[in-house]
Amino acid sequence: AQKITQTQPGMFVQEKEAVTLDCTYDTSDPSYGLFWYKQPSSGEMIFLIYQGSYDQQNATEGRYSLNFQKARKSANLVISASQLGDSAMYFCAMREGVGAGGTSYGKLTFGQGTILTVHP
Amino acid sequence: NAGVTQTPKFRVLKTGQSMTLLCAQDMNHEYMYWYRQDPGMGLRLIHYSVGEGTTAKGEVPDGYNVSRLKKQNFLLGLESAAPSQTSVYFCASTQDRVNYGYTFGSGTRLTVV
Repeated sequence: AQKITQTQPGMFVQEKEAVTLDCTYDTSDPSYGLFWYKQPSSGEMIFLIYQGSYDQQNATEGRYSLNFQKARKSANLVISASQLGDSAMYFCAMREGVGAGGTSYGKLTFGQGTILTVHP
Repeated sequence: NAGVTQTPKFRVLKTGQSMTLLCAQDMNHEYMYWYRQDPGMGLRLIHYSVGEGTTAKGEVPDGYNVSRLKKQNFLLGLESAAPSQTSVYFCASTQDRVNYGYTFGSGTRLTVV
């Protein structure tokens, strides 16, 4: 089974509107972390936001927020007030075994990615 | 600037040729990783290392070998390149398994013809 699933190959949004990029995950580990990365056409991986499985509040970083629904195992990225520069590929990723004695060694598992296009 | 440097940035190989990709980090990170990125598949882990002298297999290790003789360097080798290894390769590093600060290299675009 896929550990990280991004079901939207492509998304379109008008400039200044909000957009939600979906991410669902599968794990039996109680201690895990969820990441979102942005990859513009230049190719570099840019870290956007992190959510730990025990964090009580949803993570926020500027215009980015993570809608964390633990029971549903979803970690959707919300981008508010979209800008033309937000056009890029977006990856959701998970790291398991964060708790004491964990043996994942920090390995990240990535979803397939969502291409976001912001229209003027 | 501190970070992860990958060399080369681009390479074209003929089937059967060998090459080594170098990843160098100057942040004294313990953990290093090699990923490959293919369309529609995200990034997949090839090999990783949790410290100098250690390596382990990831999700897609076949056809690749790695070495970490020095803490700052993580080498990815292709002994006999195949067209299926055409991909973009990323190296990443982090200090430990709980820190969420990963640093990625800028990638190596490899084409095998």
